[in-house]
Amino acid sequence: KAGVTQTPRYLIKTRGQQVTLSCSPISGHRSVSWYQQTPGQGLQFLFEYFSETQRNKGNFPGRFSGRQFSNSRSEMNVSTLELGDSALYLCASSLALGGANVLTFGAGSRLTVL
Amino acid sequence: SQQGEEDPQALSIQEGENATMNCSYKTSINNLQWYRQNSGRGLVHLILIRSNEREKHSGRLRVTLDTSKKSSSLLITASRAADTASYFCATDGRGSEKLVFGKGMKLTVNP
Repeated sequence: KAGVTQTPRYLIKTRGQQVTLSCSPISGHRSVSWYQQTPGQGLQFLFEYFSETQRNKGNFPGRFSGRQFSNSRSEMNVSTLELGDSALYLCASSLALGGANVLTFGAGSRLTVL
Repeated sequence: SQQGEEDPQALSIQEGENATMNCSYKTSINNLQWYRQNSGRGLVHLILIRSNEREKHSGRLRVTLDTSKKSSSLLITASRAADTASYFCATDGRGSEKLVFGKGMKLTVNP
């Protein structure tokens, strides 16, 4: 079966712009999580969605938002981009919520903010 | 914070040697998972160990969990150049659904 698909894979934006990243989970997976990965901070949890509802949220400013659609596809949006938002954004899907569920990750969207 | 911390942060070994990576965490957990990430790509799940388990094996991987010390170790036996990657432990705290990752440990296996 197809894996987790993230688009776009690479993008370059300038400060102040906004960006939308997309994630298509594995068919049948209802939970989608987003992580930000930077060399200094490692993987930081952004948020998790299940059945179109945000179930968990990390410690990120309100500029970071997301949503999940009825087909479990998810998008995350970052508004008013800052240089520090440059990172690899990873999406992961799982069958259900909870740490006993294995996450399947996409290849990531690498965002560069100039 | 319940974030795990891997130790050492970097390890370089020769092919055929064993590699041991450690993970420490701060709060009680339900489950601990290990993932691998090849350069700049998504993470791949390796193994999950529950809080009531002490040891688990999967192929060349052996994971131990000591909940009294809040630590876990991942042993890769007979390492190969293809094992070169970053390795992450991830934990879920009791009462929390989310999985929190450590900063990762870079393993280099030299041919």
